[in-house]
Parts: sequence; C-alpha cells; structure tokens
Amino acid sequence: DTAVSQTPKYLVTQMGNDKSIKCEQNLGHDTMYWYKQDSKKFLKIMFSYNNKELIINETVPNRFSPKSPDKAHLNLHINSLELGDSAVYFCASSLRFTEQYFGPGTRLTVT
Amino acid sequence: SQQGEEDPQALSIQEGENATMNCSYKTSINNLQWYRQNSGRGLVHLILIRSNEREKHSGRLRVTLDTSKKSSSLLITASRAADTASYFCATDRSNFGNEKLTFGTGTRLTIIP
Repeated sequence: DTAVSQTPKYLVTQMGNDKSIKCEQNLGHDTMYWYKQDSKKFLKIMFSYNNKELIINETVPNRFSPKSPDKAHLNLHINSLELGDSAVYFCASSLRFTEQYFGPGTRLTVT
Repeated sequence: SQQGEEDPQALSIQEGENATMNCSYKTSINNLQWYRQNSGRGLVHLILIRSNEREKHSGRLRVTLDTSKKSSSLLITASRAADTASYFCATDRSNFGNEKLTFGTGTRLTIIP
C-alpha cells in the first residue's frame, strides 16, 4: 500500500564512503524528486526527473548522482561522503501540475 | 534569500483554538502549496492554491493567497492535538508545472491539550 517508499530509513557511515538510497513509487506518477532537509528543517530540492529524464539539478555537487531506471524508481548515489552530507533525504513524486507525495525520509549520518 | 518564509516560526495554542500561519514569497508564482510534517516523517500535502485563486477550503483548513502582497495564510480551525506538526508553504515557479517547489522555513505548531 505504501505510495512512496525509501530504503534505508537510517544510514550511518564514515567519511569517504559511497552509499546509495533507493526510492520507489507505485502511484503511476511521471515525475520524481530528491530533497535534502538540514538540521534546521530547511527543505531544498536537489533533483527532479520526468519520465526518466533529468529536468532539475540544483547545483548539487558531482558526488551526488541520481539514477532513474524507470518511471517508478529514482535512486540517489553519493560518492566520497562528507560530514556536511548529514541530513534527511526525501524522495517525492507527482504528476505535473499536482501535489507531491513524499516518502518517509532517509536519515543519513556521516561520522 | 529564501523564496518562502513562514511566520511565526513557532506557535503554541490551546486545543480548540484557531491557528493562523503566514507565508511570504518574493517572485511571481504559478501556485502555492501547504504541507504538513509530523516529527520524523515525510511531508503530507494539505492544499494547493493557484495564482488566479484567492481562497480555498479543505475541511478545517482555509488558505488565502494575495499575489499583490506576495503572501498566503493557512488557517486551521478548531485545532486538535493531532494538528501538532511543522507546516511549510511551497511555491511553484516552474514553467512546466511543479518540478521545482521552493519550500519556506516552516512554522512549528504545538497544540496544547
């Protein structure tokens, strides 16, 4: 029944490691997003994909690479993790001109 | 500076009272949306108001939009303990529709039983 799911829910890793977060939606939406929410709860868009094509890249470092194998999935791979990458990452999906549905979030802690 | 800024940053009221949150933004928009975030959870969409609309209702929620003042307000009537959450406004300025929501800083609402 879960509309937008993310795995893992928690991720603790050391600086310099590479990690991936997976996102899946079963709503039939054609657009998916990645957001980063910092410790002050500020939510900022990172990427937006429409029909597997990248349409928004908000000056995110090259260490972050999204991959959309199909319309229902948008994964986020992060290379060479840094302390500043610690945050909660949210995946979302929508149809154009409608509201976005958010996943439960992945809390990433880099030590 | 941020596109959307909510005011107040935090609000505590007694259960049953009405809660009003405001959002200001800086540039023209296609629509403005309000979302709720419970602690440790993802955001949940509450209501979307388009730039040519002035007021919208959904249950106990009422949203107004004043494009001349670049501001919006969210009113929650007859508040309940379950309304305790953070509330965010988000503006859509994209050309193609909804690909680029810019979120405000949020209002933390606490309902005191």
